[in-house]
Amino acid sequence: EVQLVESGGGLVQPGRSLRLSCTASGFTFGDYAMSWVRQAPGKGLEWVGFIRSKAYGGTTEYAASVKGRFTISRDDSKSIAYLQMNSLKTEDTAVYYCTRDFSGSYFDYWGQGTLVTVSS
Amino acid sequence: QSALTQPRSVSGSPGQSVTISCTGTSSDVGGYNYVSWYQQHPGKAPKLMIYDVSKRPSGVPDRFSGSKSGNTASLTISGLQAEDEADYYCCSYAGSYTRVFGGGTKLTVL
Repeated sequence: EVQLVESGGGLVQPGRSLRLSCTASGFTFGDYAMSWVRQAPGKGLEWVGFIRSKAYGGTTEYAASVKGRFTISRDDSKSIAYLQMNSLKTEDTAVYYCTRDFSGSYFDYWGQGTLVTVSS
Repeated sequence: QSALTQPRSVSGSPGQSVTISCTGTSSDVGGYNYVSWYQQHPGKAPKLMIYDVSKRPSGVPDRFSGSKSGNTASLTISGLQAEDEADYYCCSYAGSYTRVFGGGTKLTVL
């Protein structure tokens, strides 16, 4: 059974940093791209970015709203994807979901999400 | 890029059919056959219902179907059931390896 478990969320002050983790199980993690999607309280879904599998270079792409501030990485030996968030803004407050990204086309599995609150 | 346009809400009675539209541009919905739909119940993670415009993942009832015409994609739910009441989001590939979601539609089963 495919499982994605996010961790690392919490309350952080504006301008500070936070790193989220996504621990995967039930599939060969290294064979898949992984994406992060967020949802602000009471709002819709927003794609944040993704990381390709090593077979496709392990490179990353980001939404314009987070480019230059957020970095996605992966450790295939541990089946973990990371989302490093720097220079956080109040508008980054959201539940952050880790997703398995199938061929850059769709998100077939989602984690339960972790809440990040950016507030002073 | 701008979010795809969905109606804020739709409703239907049990057994009826409803269709949710998702309008984009030639740079996203109209340009690629990579539209997907997600169902989200309150407090839960989204669930994939349709991918690549009209394909259904294993386990999704065949009451759910997807289509696309020009820059507008649609999700149709036939034989509405109480458990279908949820928020629905469309998503499209938008070029340069980016994705864009719709604003979401709240489906109410009367």
